[in-house]
Amino acid sequence: EVQLLESGGGLVQPGGSLRLSCAASGFTFSSYDMNWVRQAPGKGLEWVSTISGSVGSTYYADSVKGRFTISRDNSKNTLYLQMNSLRAEDTAVYYCAKDRAPGIIFDMWGQGTMVTVSS
Amino acid sequence: EIVMTQSPATLSVSPGERATVSCRASQSASSNLAWYQQKPGQAPRLLIYGASTRATGIPARFSGSGSGTEFTLTISSLQSEDFAVYYCQQYNNWPLTFGPGTKVDIK
Repeated sequence: EVQLLESGGGLVQPGGSLRLSCAASGFTFSSYDMNWVRQAPGKGLEWVSTISGSVGSTYYADSVKGRFTISRDNSKNTLYLQMNSLRAEDTAVYYCAKDRAPGIIFDMWGQGTMVTVSS
Repeated sequence: EIVMTQSPATLSVSPGERATVSCRASQSASSNLAWYQQKPGQAPRLLIYGASTRATGIPARFSGSGSGTEFTLTISSLQSEDFAVYYCQQYNNWPLTFGPGTKVDIK
């Protein structure tokens, strides 16, 4: 059974940093692109970032480019999102999502971790 | 950036009735379109990809159609568990973009 378990969310002040993790199990982690998608309270879904399975190519939404860094450790089956220079508008539930090739299709999702940016 | 729009914003339907949700792309997304269902307090669930292919385990009452800029999600006979928010998402171009969602609620 595919499982994705996010952690690392919490309350952080504007300008602060946070690192999210997503522990994956039940599939060959290194073979799949992985993603972060967020959802602000009461709002819709917003794609944040994607990292390819083996080569490690990365892609970012303009809203987070230069502030967030996606990475992965295939030996630990873990996906990360390093978030720096956080802003109030980054407040959201952050979901880790597995890709279903071909194309970036989010076929399995974690339960999400809440990030609140507030003073 | 491909901007996705959905209509209606809210759809009130009686159980057993048919529900149709529309999704429009600001430029062609070819058939690279997915649909997701989200219930309150839960993560989204993939329903449809490739505009018309049901994901694993998705009931046959869910169907998708369209290509280019116009797409449709149809639920043929609404069950109680289908009342939720539905999102479309294009994966033809970077950045990946979602529609704003359509809430299907009980009439």
